[in-house]
Amino acid sequence: AQSVAQPEDQVNVAEGNPLTVKCTYSVSGNPYLFWYVQYPNRGLQFLLKYITGDNLVKGSYGFEAEFNKSQTSFHLKKPSALVSDSALYFCAAHGGAQKLVFGQGTRLTINP
Amino acid sequence: ETGVTQTPRHLVMGMTNKKSLKCEQHLGHNAMYWYKQSAKKPLELMFVYSLEERVENNSVPSRFSPECPNSSHLFLHLHTLQPEDSALYLCASSRSRQATYEQYFGPGTRLTVT
Repeated sequence: AQSVAQPEDQVNVAEGNPLTVKCTYSVSGNPYLFWYVQYPNRGLQFLLKYITGDNLVKGSYGFEAEFNKSQTSFHLKKPSALVSDSALYFCAAHGGAQKLVFGQGTRLTINP
Repeated sequence: ETGVTQTPRHLVMGMTNKKSLKCEQHLGHNAMYWYKQSAKKPLELMFVYSLEERVENNSVPSRFSPECPNSSHLFLHLHTLQPEDSALYLCASSRSRQATYEQYFGPGTRLTVT
């Protein structure tokens, strides 16, 4: 069965520092990987995706993610965090014909 | 977030009530989805529609009944719900059901069953 794990329920980072939100996946076949962000009282917003090609994917708001096939990971990163990045982040994976599966989410808090 | 709209934003209903959630997408997409989001749990996919045809129903109780009259509109009809059905219900759409397409979400309906 497909699964996505986000091992950290909460990540705290000081403003201006780099941030990483971790994600590992288990799917059959080639993985299609996504990151979404959810601000309070809002739906999920698409940030970026990996389908094929370069392992480093760039997305919205300065975020990027690195696909690592050997470690089955797709960690979200940003070089310099902003207070406005504080939100709930979801990793999701799709294994071709199977349905999109989401992780439990990681709450990111950026401290001024 | 004007791409996908949901109404109402908040709904409180008794266990014997009947209500409906509405979703509309203005993106010209061909696939629409209903998700349930509960605290500290992964999003649960409930239903998938592709070109107005239901293509997936993930063991959802019959007290939830979806309807997709056209590719822009999606409804979730609710009746005789249970308190554990209280959650945020999210609608989403995508260009197609192909795995490579990202989904666009509405703001959700916060449902409370009393």
